[in-house]
Amino acid sequence: AAGVIQSPRHLIKEKRETATLKCYPIPRHDTVYWYQQGPGQDPQFLISFYEKMQSDKGSIPDRFSAQQFSDYHSELNMSSLELGDSALYFCASTQGAGTNIQYFGAGTRLSVL
Amino acid sequence: DAKTTQPTSMDCAEGRAANLPCNHSTISGNEYVYWYRQIHSQGPQYIIHGLKNNETNEMASLIITEDRKSSTLILPHATLRDTAVYYCIVRVTIGGGSQGNLIFGKGTKLSVKP
Repeated sequence: AAGVIQSPRHLIKEKRETATLKCYPIPRHDTVYWYQQGPGQDPQFLISFYEKMQSDKGSIPDRFSAQQFSDYHSELNMSSLELGDSALYFCASTQGAGTNIQYFGAGTRLSVL
Repeated sequence: DAKTTQPTSMDCAEGRAANLPCNHSTISGNEYVYWYRQIHSQGPQYIIHGLKNNETNEMASLIITEDRKSSTLILPHATLRDTAVYYCIVRVTIGGGSQGNLIFGKGTKLSVKP
């Protein structure tokens, strides 16, 4: 069965650079969630989209933005990168907002040097 | 949202049942208990969820106490591949009026040993 696809899998950036992470949800899933997991920490919710509209916002820095496109894929844009942004970034998808059976991608490991 | 309490770590012998407890004493009537697990640095994986009845699927069983203040996830025959951090999450589901994002607590690190 098709799963959530995230790209790239690994990304290395310098401080103050920008990064774009992509997420392709499972076909027919209309809701996307983004989570950040720092080293040794638990996943923390960043932001979510339902039917291309932002549905909820968590602890996402103002330097980050995201959107969901007409084909339901989502992109997380990160600017002015800081060392503390080094983390695993997971995307999850579901069918319908509020559904808590979320299917996660393999994640993007971002390293900021 | 209700909060959960789980032991920090547990060990289990390969082939034996792993019983992972979770306390959620402030759970509301419309909140479900969800279990996810995360194998080292992989994306979290959904295991099972329930409201008040016991549930079973191909991965695990979920036993919820009658007062719903605690639950136990049971992996009937643990294998080395079940070594992971297991998260117990209490959330409303569709139509519950809450956003769908998951709030991960500390979880239980289960180590399955040969």
